[in-house]
Amino acid sequence: DGGITQSPKYLFRKEGQNVTLSCEQNLNHDAMYWYRQDPGQGLRLIYYSQIVNDFQKGDIAEGYSVSREKKESFPLTVTSAQKNPTAFYLCASSIRGQGADTQYFGPGTRLTVL
Amino acid sequence: QKEVEQDPGPLSVPEGAIVSLNCTYSNSAFQYFMWYRQYSRKGPELLMYTYSSGNKEDGRFTAQVDKSSKYISLFIRDSQPSDSATYLCADYTGGFKTIFGAGTRLFVKA
Repeated sequence: DGGITQSPKYLFRKEGQNVTLSCEQNLNHDAMYWYRQDPGQGLRLIYYSQIVNDFQKGDIAEGYSVSREKKESFPLTVTSAQKNPTAFYLCASSIRGQGADTQYFGPGTRLTVL
Repeated sequence: QKEVEQDPGPLSVPEGAIVSLNCTYSNSAFQYFMWYRQYSRKGPELLMYTYSSGNKEDGRFTAQVDKSSKYISLFIRDSQPSDSATYLCADYTGGFKTIFGAGTRLFVKA
């Protein structure tokens, strides 16, 4: 049963803490993405990766970091430098990351800063 | 100006109504548009994609592109309560980049 999984579903963070959001896919897709979704705004791209061990900043990368050590996994760390981290975070993947690729999304992680 | 704009709604219709959801885009070199449906607290799922001009139909859903006015639409026929969701339009702009609208919330009342 192929798909994208994200964990945890809900995450609470105290100010000053780093937290890591998990994203795993078994679709054998090369490209993976992280988006942030806030009310009244479109999805905003944080980071994307087209191949293992390579990733690029998106539009709002400040205060976030990623790694891509395995094709299946693309974890996102929200650092204490991110001033307004409360949001819904979505991971996606696509076959190549080039051309008009369809992006498939995970179920999301809702992060709340206490 | 946002690159892709949608009326946030909410749009409330009775069951069985024809729904029209609309989006405007400012500039698209590739003319490749997508509609995603997002249920509450879930990730978006692709409904349809369409290239420039004309209509594309899939069951109860029709996607339409009007290049002259930079307008894209999604029509839902015989709307059902299960269609209640947020609908996101998206514009592929090249390379890795897809621009998403903020979404329109739709409620279909039984």
